[in-house]
Amino acid sequence: EPEVTQTPSHQVTQMGQEVILRCVPISNHLYFYWYRQILGQKVEFLVSFYNNEISEKSEIFDDQFSVERPDGSNFTLKIRSTKLEDSAMYFCASSVSTGANVLTFGAGSRLTVL
Amino acid sequence: DQQVKQNSPSLSVQEGRISILNCDYTNSMFDYFLWYKKYPAEGPTFLISISSIKDKNEDGRFTVFLNKSAKHLSLHIVPSQPGDSAVYFCAASAGGFKTIFGAGTRLFVKA
Repeated sequence: EPEVTQTPSHQVTQMGQEVILRCVPISNHLYFYWYRQILGQKVEFLVSFYNNEISEKSEIFDDQFSVERPDGSNFTLKIRSTKLEDSAMYFCASSVSTGANVLTFGAGSRLTVL
Repeated sequence: DQQVKQNSPSLSVQEGRISILNCDYTNSMFDYFLWYKKYPAEGPTFLISISSIKDKNEDGRFTVFLNKSAKHLSLHIVPSQPGDSAVYFCAASAGGFKTIFGAGTRLFVKA
């Protein structure tokens, strides 16, 4: 069964450093997303990406964050100058369409900022 | 952002009995509601969905009920099995790109 793969599974970084989280969405999916879950809290929408541009973003997704689809298969989330409160599980997801918006999630990348 | 609320953080049920997980929402523009299941160290997995034009959708042991007037939906699992023990997220979308998730309910099914 096709799956969304994410790397790394766990990254530890120092406050102020830049982090890139990588995702390979399902190949025939057209819509890509990043969500995050701070420990014990709900899954929060960060950004959606379609046709090589951001289609929607939340208030969390400020100038510190950026997304890119550099080569037609990878979908990356870059976090510049990480803060302690960026520590969370980051989930990549993809979908075929936005109607019923059934998302297929990756296993997540745990980011720990020290 | 409290548009989707799951007020029960946890639920414990005996194997073979019914599990009922509840969800309330505030945004009347939501047109699809979904339930996702999440095991530790995995991403959420889609379980079942319902369109706002329906009031019930069934898939095997899982049934979702939607009460639009009350802005309430519920997931019924019957019979419950130990393998159903997981965190269940209620989610909703308004036809756009963003899906709003609730805080989740942790279900424990005791053997």
